[in-house]
Amino acid sequence: QSALTQPPSASGSPGQSVTISCTGTSSDVGGYNYVSWYRQYPGEAPKLVIYEVNKRPSGLADRFSGSKSGNTASLTVSGLQAEDEGDYYCSSYSRGNNLVFGGGTKLTVL
Amino acid sequence: EVQLVESGGGLVQPGGSLRLSCAASGFTFTTYWMTWVRQSPGRGLEWLANIKQGGNEMYYVDSVKGRFTISRDNAKNSVYLQMNGLRVEDSAVYYCARGGFGQLGDYWGQGTLVTVSS
Repeated sequence: QSALTQPPSASGSPGQSVTISCTGTSSDVGGYNYVSWYRQYPGEAPKLVIYEVNKRPSGLADRFSGSKSGNTASLTVSGLQAEDEGDYYCSSYSRGNNLVFGGGTKLTVL
Repeated sequence: EVQLVESGGGLVQPGGSLRLSCAASGFTFTTYWMTWVRQSPGRGLEWLANIKQGGNEMYYVDSVKGRFTISRDNAKNSVYLQMNGLRVEDSAVYYCARGGFGQLGDYWGQGTLVTVSS
């Protein structure tokens, strides 16, 4: 049950797009379409922004999109806004009825 | 309005026990898997356990198997995490979240802090 690999940091200017990667194996990310992404502000609970690779929860801005290629999933935030700054985590179902999270990526809006 | 409210955290000595509770409201509890996730100070998220709607299927991360037990009481719209044999490294904020392996975490509680220290 190894954690998924995310870059520790990412950044972009307001209005730009930024993509965060999440790399696993064929036993998790590559094998199932159960990849989710969460944003977390300091001191708060995580908030779901993408589930099942590319689905957005109702009410969430369409600036958030998800994709997957092989063992790597990606979250793209378009039209960056100050409120997008925070920590982003990916998760994936893992073979054998487990779930693993990535180590998190701190997104900074410059 | 969907709400998840955790309780039961606190300070406990190594080897001790705690029982966390998560009270759910605002949705049909019996139609959802429920999950416990923790976050150590300054660190990332760790999935701990989840439980199926009827309470007859539970799954755990290896690091807590045999020490932690997830359960639910559908009559009380609540999910629990019994934690035994606590270790210093179990110190974390513990969250309950709605969902299982699929759409996990469309709602989260505010978290409850567990500190294991002598």
